[in-house]
Amino acid sequence: DQQVKQNSPSLSVQEGRISILNCDYTNSMFDYFLWYKKYPAEGPTFLISISSIKDKNEDGRFTVFLNKSAKHLSLHIVPSQPGDSAVYFCAGGANNLFFGTGTRLTVIP
Amino acid sequence: DSGVTQTPKHLITATGQRVTLRCSPRSGDLSVYWYQQSLDQGLQFLIQYYNGEERAKGNILERFSAQQFPDLHSELNLSSLELGDSALYFCASSETGVRTEAFFGQGTRLTVV
Repeated sequence: DQQVKQNSPSLSVQEGRISILNCDYTNSMFDYFLWYKKYPAEGPTFLISISSIKDKNEDGRFTVFLNKSAKHLSLHIVPSQPGDSAVYFCAGGANNLFFGTGTRLTVIP
Repeated sequence: DSGVTQTPKHLITATGQRVTLRCSPRSGDLSVYWYQQSLDQGLQFLIQYYNGEERAKGNILERFSAQQFPDLHSELNLSSLELGDSALYFCASSETGVRTEAFFGQGTRLTVV
């Protein structure tokens, strides 16, 4: 049973525009959420996190939004750059982390 | 470099065999996680250890087992291997294992033939 879901397997965006990646979770006990970025043949790299006591967290070009009532989070990348092309995983949990299936982002120059 | 070391990087073995994957966490991290990624799928949580004790168990098969040693390195043992066990196995570590980011190793690619 997939507790964290990323329903869009892929997303293409023009360089300079906004990329919005979405994630849904089912377990209301989850109180900590993260986004990871993964390049081929490498392990996932931590990007940004958010605690359930917040609804937004920003780090440079990356912003994560959390809507607890909808059990939904999103990652905004502004502006998108070609180097952002990778697979993005969201993860959620409390004492451990459950990952979604990933969204492949392609930023077109 | 995340500071998490996994060995070996690649492993090819036959069905029915047993293999051991090794993970050295980042210095100071007490918690270790194991994940399986099959065929560009998501990361399936297998098991988590904290300071030598099992903390959480996910979709880990009975043929698989893991442990975390006093020096905090961890091993994942896979036995009676089947073709479907071919996957990337990732280890991650975190300081406390609770509400904190985990740092991933490069993974071990296991191919069962």
